Amino acid sequence: QQQVKQSPQSLIVQKGGISIINCAYENTAFDYFPWYQQFPGKGPALLIAIRPDVSEKKEGRFTISFNKSAKQFSLHIMDSQPGDSATYFCAASSSTFGNEKLTFGTGTRLTIIP
Amino acid sequence: GAVVSQHPSWVICKSGTSVKIECRSLDFQATTMFWYRQFPKQSLMLMATSNEGSKATYEQGVEKDKFLINHASLTLSTLTVTSAHPEDSSFYICSARGTRNGLGELFFGEGSRLTVL
Repeated sequence: QQQVKQSPQSLIVQKGGISIINCAYENTAFDYFPWYQQFPGKGPALLIAIRPDVSEKKEGRFTISFNKSAKQFSLHIMDSQPGDSATYFCAASSSTFGNEKLTFGTGTRLTIIP
Repeated sequence: GAVVSQHPSWVICKSGTSVKIECRSLDFQATTMFWYRQFPKQSLMLMATSNEGSKATYEQGVEKDKFLINHASLTLSTLTVTSAHPEDSSFYICSARGTRNGLGELFFGEGSRLTVL
């Protein structure tokens, strides 16, 4: 019930293309869904986050789409750039725990090729 | 914005020794900090929740006697890996809740890579 499933495990996208990473969860108590970007040897950094009261949130080139009924959410990176090459983690938490106890997905290694 | 700092960023030690890793919130107070462990090419796994002035709460399967957590002040939590063994080699990351642009957010440290020989 605490799992967050993430796919694909790795992704190669051409520069300028759209990168799409998907996550699915089971615990209906989850009400906060952040995405983190992690570069090698560094800690994760928050990219963008969404709550279930909206179906989409956009910040610059990054968009989260959220489907509450399907218990799925995805990250779209528009106009992907080589600098976006990193590992991306989706996560989920419940306000029951103050939205602090994150359950992470398994990660997606994104490579943007010229 | 809020910054979480970890020290050391990397450490190599001999099997059987103890290693202490510090996690500091640089410009905000954090009553709660979190410690994660990340093995190569794997996800972050929550080890424990560090509470200022009280005992840490450990996740299932994490040995509290092996991974000692001390949260003595509102800006500092330490993780001590006692009697470290090669299987403890991992990337240890802490996080704490701060604010950015007026909104609460979990900030992560840069991580500490432990290699046990």
